[in-house]
Amino acid sequence: DVKVTQSSRYLVKRTGEKVFLECVQDMDHENMFWYRQDPGLGLRLIYFSYDVKMKEKGDIPEGYSVSREKKERFSLILESASTNQTSMYLCASSLFPQGAINGYTFGSGTRLTVV
Amino acid sequence: DAKTTQPTSMDCAEGRAANLPCNHSTISGNEYVYWYRQIHSQGPQYIIHGLKNNETNEMASLIITEDRKSSTLILPHATLRDTAVYYCIVRVQRGGSNYKLTFGKGTLLTVNP
Repeated sequence: DVKVTQSSRYLVKRTGEKVFLECVQDMDHENMFWYRQDPGLGLRLIYFSYDVKMKEKGDIPEGYSVSREKKERFSLILESASTNQTSMYLCASSLFPQGAINGYTFGSGTRLTVV
Repeated sequence: DAKTTQPTSMDCAEGRAANLPCNHSTISGNEYVYWYRQIHSQGPQYIIHGLKNNETNEMASLIITEDRKSSTLILPHATLRDTAVYYCIVRVQRGGSNYKLTFGKGTLLTVNP
């Protein structure tokens, strides 16, 4: 089975800190995604990457950047964390651009609290 | 991607079949129906997908109407661990420039003992 691993399950950071959220997948998928999930707003796409060193903005990229130096790893960076970035962050990967035969595989999520 | 409509919540007795409906009246000919679920505090999990034929796998069955304007996800013998939010998503499988998977609010299925 494809495994998507997010480095931290829970994270507490201070306002203004630079925050790195790491995601690793083990099935050689080309495409990786970062979503955030908030009550009442559902899942919203922040950034995605369809190849190494390639990235595209999703619906809410402001305040975030990403890095994909290796195929298996996709990092989300909060340049200067703010309290409105407190959220559940979900990483996903897929084989084909619009979803593999078995769709997208998500990690378990990182619950980030910015204080 | 076509818009979907799902009930906000449903209840089901443990051991019984859970039938979750989804309306997608504006679906296009090349759009697939995908189902995901999200158990509390976990990431979404792929369940099943289909184009026009009914599909079955080890987790569930997907029944798509002949006009493809609606579908039903069936969990044949629901267990307490099936309590989750179930998302119905309609999109093209390949092609186009839209990479993202768009989740609506889904249906909260509660399986009761």
